[in-house]
Amino acid sequence: SQKIEQNSEALNIQEGKTATLTCNYTNYSPAYLQWYRQDPGRGPVFLLLIRENEKEKRKERLKVTFDTTLKQSLFHITASQPADSATYLCALDGNTGKLIFGQGTTLQVKP
Amino acid sequence: DVKVTQSSRYLVKRTGEKVFLECVQDMDHENMFWYRQDPGLGLRLIYFSYDVKMKEKGDIPEGYSVSREKKERFSLILESASTNQTSMYLCASIPAGTGYNEQYFGPGTRLTVT
Repeated sequence: SQKIEQNSEALNIQEGKTATLTCNYTNYSPAYLQWYRQDPGRGPVFLLLIRENEKEKRKERLKVTFDTTLKQSLFHITASQPADSATYLCALDGNTGKLIFGQGTTLQVKP
Repeated sequence: DVKVTQSSRYLVKRTGEKVFLECVQDMDHENMFWYRQDPGLGLRLIYFSYDVKMKEKGDIPEGYSVSREKKERFSLILESASTNQTSMYLCASIPAGTGYNEQYFGPGTRLTVT
């Protein structure tokens, strides 16, 4: 069956370190993958999109990689700050014109 | 500044009540979506609409219906609310096109059915 998985356990890191979040999928061949940030009680906000033919994408302190062989995307936040604390969702193109979302990983950055 | 608004942030309804959740976007987007979000399950698509008066079922449409009479407005209807419909409801929109576009989300409505 089709599945998209993110680490359900919260990730706790110290301020200034690099946070790395994982998104794995099975039985999909997505044309692209997106990452969103969601704060408590709020709707998700788009961060980055990476296409299947791109290995890596950067935006300020954010970096996303996309390995279609491993069926995995990694989301990195360098020099993390307490303000980066949030839940991060990955979403992929389900080849139906709709996005399929992972359940999200909560990041807690401690000062 | 682009905006998706939802009619209520918090809503408490009784079992069996008919519930209307409204979503309005000011970006002239053709496509609109309704999701529900539950802990450990992520966002699940209930219904979506590609155009006025057009609607398609998502992954969990049972117990819900939708209405899209105007381009900017997409309503989710719970015909007879049940406790298992207690959830966070999120509306989103994107313009028509390749589907590569980011989805713009509203702030969400936390619905409690007692």
